[in-house]
Amino acid sequence: EVQLVESGGGLVKPGGSLRLSCAASGFTFSSYGMNWVRQAPGKGLEWVSYISTSSSRIFYADSVKGRFTISRDNAKNSLYLQMNNMRAEDTAVYYCGRDELIGGRLPGLDYWGQGNLVTVSS
Amino acid sequence: DIQMTQSPSSLSASVGDRVTITCRASQSISNYLNWYQQKPGRAPNLLIYAASNLQSGVPSRFSGSGSGTDFTLTISGLQPEDFATYHCQQTYSTPMYTFGQGTKLEIK
Repeated sequence: EVQLVESGGGLVKPGGSLRLSCAASGFTFSSYGMNWVRQAPGKGLEWVSYISTSSSRIFYADSVKGRFTISRDNAKNSLYLQMNNMRAEDTAVYYCGRDELIGGRLPGLDYWGQGNLVTVSS
Repeated sequence: DIQMTQSPSSLSASVGDRVTITCRASQSISNYLNWYQQKPGRAPNLLIYAASNLQSGVPSRFSGSGSGTDFTLTISGLQPEDFATYHCQQTYSTPMYTFGQGTKLEIK
């Protein structure tokens, strides 16, 4: 069974840092690109970042570029999001999601973690 | 950047109704469009991929259509478990995805 389990969320002050982790199991982690997606309270989904299988391709949303760093450790089946210089508007539930060619055709996120709340407040 | 606009933002309907949710892209995205269902406190769940293909295990009362800039999600014969929030996602600019703002489907 595919499982993605996030950890590392919590309360952080503006300007502070936090590191999220996503532990993967039930599939060959090193064969899949991975994403972070967030959802501010009462709002829609916002794609945050993507990392390819070998970490050779990395992309960020403009809203987090220069502040957040995505990484992965295929030996540990783990995905990470290092968040620095955090702002109130980063407050959200953060999800990790597996990137897949759905039906062998077009991309999508076919498995998601349970979500992890990050609150930025003084 | 490709912007995705869903309408309506919320919708009230009754069990057994047929409902349609619309998603419009700011530029043509061919059929690079997915729909997700999200229940309160839960992660999103993929319903439809490539605009009109049902993900495995999704009931046939769900259907999707469209191409280019205009897309629809239709639920025929609403069931109690269908009351949730629905999100569209463009994957044309993969992997820099964009989601719509979501449509909350509530019980009338």
